[in-house]
Amino acid sequence: ETGVTQTPRHLVMGMTNKKSLKCEQHLGHNAMYWYKQSAKKPLELMFVYNFKEQTENNSVPSRFSPECPNSSHLFLHLHTLQPEDSALYLCASSQDGTSGAYEQYFGPGTRLTVT
Amino acid sequence: RKEVEQDPGPFNVPEGATVAFNCTYSNSASQSFFWYRQDCRKEPKLLMSVYSSGNEDGRFTAQLNRASQYISLLIRDSKLSDSATYLCVVRFSGGYNKLIFGAGTRLAVHP
Repeated sequence: ETGVTQTPRHLVMGMTNKKSLKCEQHLGHNAMYWYKQSAKKPLELMFVYNFKEQTENNSVPSRFSPECPNSSHLFLHLHTLQPEDSALYLCASSQDGTSGAYEQYFGPGTRLTVT
Repeated sequence: RKEVEQDPGPFNVPEGATVAFNCTYSNSASQSFFWYRQDCRKEPKLLMSVYSSGNEDGRFTAQLNRASQYISLLIRDSKLSDSATYLCVVRFSGGYNKLIFGAGTRLAVHP
């Protein structure tokens, strides 16, 4: 596996379900990110982890709970979501989360539908 | 006012045309600037960084005007494969590697 991988690629869940999105990067990077992309809206940064420490929580509702057990893995735990949470969830990684000199590489995303 | 604004398009151009996209940003403390490309139902990928003096990469030319808080991307000799959404991206100074994305400009190149 190379680059940034995400599973599942598609997810349909009810509002009372609990599910998790997984991201794995094979690039040796130290920073990982969760973004949300809704239809016709810009990508919105949700969380940043740098060296496994959460460094940014962009006012994300508590029904989204991130977890970063190590520099290569990032999870987004979902519970009691709303239909407006339906979107493409993108994971990214970069060499370092503190410098804009490092490019962010994106995974293919998980397309989430909340029914 | 949106932090990063782009004309959503779509821009429909024939092969071989020259097309220009514009972008404005609201935070004068912005530090780094990029153009990303996103194909339909795919992830964004870095197309090019934008430097103060302007820079070129093959058929693509990026310009930055800090005084006007304006970024542009020029594509010459458009190819069918250039059809995609082009995202203007800004990184504000300080803090972490936090990118602010525009909503994107869609380009459709036709034969």
